[in-house]
Amino acid sequence: TQLLEQSPQFLSIQEGENLTVYCNSSSVFSSLQWYRQEPGEGPVLLVTVVTGGEVKKLKRLTFQFGDARKDSSLHITAAQPGDTGLYLCAGTDSNYQLIWGAGTKLIIKP
Amino acid sequence: DAGVTQSPTHLIKTRGQQVTLRCSPKSGHDTVSWYQQALGQGPQFIFQYYEEEERQRGNFPDRFSGHQFPNYSSELNVNALLLGDSALYLCASSSHDRVLLGYTFGSGTRLTVV
Repeated sequence: TQLLEQSPQFLSIQEGENLTVYCNSSSVFSSLQWYRQEPGEGPVLLVTVVTGGEVKKLKRLTFQFGDARKDSSLHITAAQPGDTGLYLCAGTDSNYQLIWGAGTKLIIKP
Repeated sequence: DAGVTQSPTHLIKTRGQQVTLRCSPKSGHDTVSWYQQALGQGPQFIFQYYEEEERQRGNFPDRFSGHQFPNYSSELNVNALLLGDSALYLCASSSHDRVLLGYTFGSGTRLTVV
């Protein structure tokens, strides 16, 4: 069974600080997706990375897929209170099924 | 362009009852997946439907069943409800030939079993 370990589980920082969230696995994924979810809502897709070593930027968010396609990171620069939410990573396995991390609950304090 | 719509948004049922949740996928999408999400945790995969057939199934008992209609909409049925079935049920749609690129989720149905 493929597992996707996401860390940290919880992060509370001050506005303006930088942070990084990690997703790690011993298995290779065909693609890896990052979602952001707010309370009472469904996850919203932020980005999909497909190629090993790929880096994608979305304003202050930088996403990286590991060279071996087993891990990924999300880096937020100068975090803002609007970044608060649950961040989820999900990898697509060989059966095109999504394997989910447990999520990182991020709180940005003004 | 409407995204994924789910109904109802909230539901309260008694233990032992049956429930049906509904999902309309995003326009242009033909594949529907259902997830169960406990508070503060990641979604757990229930099953996926494509071409009106269940294509993949997660580790859920037979009490959980589903259906996909010719218009790609889908239903999730849960029989003999248990207190532990209380959760947010999410529907996600995608295009079968682009599943690698990500899913569009609905806002979910909050099911409470009392």
